[in-house]
Order: sequence, then C-alpha cells, then structure tokens
Amino acid sequence: KQEVTQIPAALSVPEGENLVLNCSFTDSAIYNLQWFRQDPGKGLTSLLLIQSSQREQTSGRLNASLDKSSGRSTLYIAASQPGDSATYLCAVRMDSNYQLIWGAGTKLIIKP
Amino acid sequence: DVKVTQSSRYLVKRTGEKVFLECVQDMDHENMFWYRQDPGLGLRLIYFSYDVKMKEKGDIPEGYSVSREKKERFSLILESASTNQTSMYLCASRWGGGTYQPQHFGDGTRLSIL
Repeated sequence: KQEVTQIPAALSVPEGENLVLNCSFTDSAIYNLQWFRQDPGKGLTSLLLIQSSQREQTSGRLNASLDKSSGRSTLYIAASQPGDSATYLCAVRMDSNYQLIWGAGTKLIIKP
Repeated sequence: DVKVTQSSRYLVKRTGEKVFLECVQDMDHENMFWYRQDPGLGLRLIYFSYDVKMKEKGDIPEGYSVSREKKERFSLILESASTNQTSMYLCASRWGGGTYQPQHFGDGTRLSIL
C-alpha cells in the first residue's frame, strides 16, 4: 500500500532564503506526482505536476524534482518571500487509478 | 482558468439533518472528487465520479452519498448528519482525457454539525 510522507511537518525560515521541502513515497509505480499549496482556510492550488517519466518541472521560483527509484520528490523554493507562507502538500497518482494519495503537508512560515 | 465553485464557505447544521454540499466546475471536466480534510489526518477521499451518473467509493464513504446528474455538478449528501462529520470539505475536478492532468480545487466548505 502506497504511503506518502512529508518531513518536516513545519518549517520556519527568514525571508530571502532558498529552501527545500521533501516528499517521500514507498511504491515507485506512480503515474505522476503533484505539489499543491494551501492557504489557511482555503482550498488547494496546484503548483507543479511531474510525470513519471520526468525528472523535474519548473514554474517561476519553484522547481520540483522526482526520483522514482529512491521514492523521493523535492520542492525547491528560491528567494523565499512572506507570501510563500502556506501549507505545501504532495500527492501521488498510482497506475490505473484515479485517486491521489496524499502526504500530510509541510507548514511553511517565511519570516520578514 | 479552471473555476471550481463550492456553494457555501461555512455551514452550520444540526445532528440528524440531511445536508447537501454542492460543487460546480466550468471546464467540462469528466472527473470530480469530494474530500474531507481534518487536522492530523490530511485529505481523505470520500467519493469520486469519472463521468456523469458514475460514482466510485473512496476511502471513507460511510455516512455519505453523491449525485452526478450533470457533468458540471457533483453533490455530496450527508443523509443524517452527525458531529463526527464536522470537517472541511473540498471538491476537485480534473480533465479525464489525459493521464497527466492535475486536479483543480474549490475553496472548501467548513461544515459544523452541532
């Protein structure tokens, strides 16, 4: 059974720093992996989706990598800003299945 | 841009009531999903629908039912609300025509059952 883990559960860094959020999964037979952002009391916003055949995806200051063999994905945020403060969730989609399997999220606080 | 609209941001109901949560998407997506989100438990899938009049149970369907009579609308029904169904409910939709399409979420409905 696939399990998705995000460590740490919370992270606080000063503004301007580059940072990495981690996501690990136990079963490498995934279709894709997706990173989301959730602001307090709001729904989720899709940030990046990496196909199983890809190694990374980039959008602005965000870069997501995928290493299927080791069961890991990272979300790299460059030059962090207070507006980046949110909870970041990763989710994997398995083969032949519509469902996403979710990590519990990392709550990120960027201090001005 | 994809727009997923949930009918209420906040809702307060009493135990035993029948509760309807509505979700509408404007991008002709085939797939739609209902999740609940609770602190420490993350997102859990209640039901999903891969097309009109189709539905599949997710991980926690007990106490819920769904309706998908039109492609754009996916309704979640609490037949007899109980206090343990107090939660944040999130609806999502996704284009079903490709493997690598992301899910798009509404803003959520925070439901309190008293």
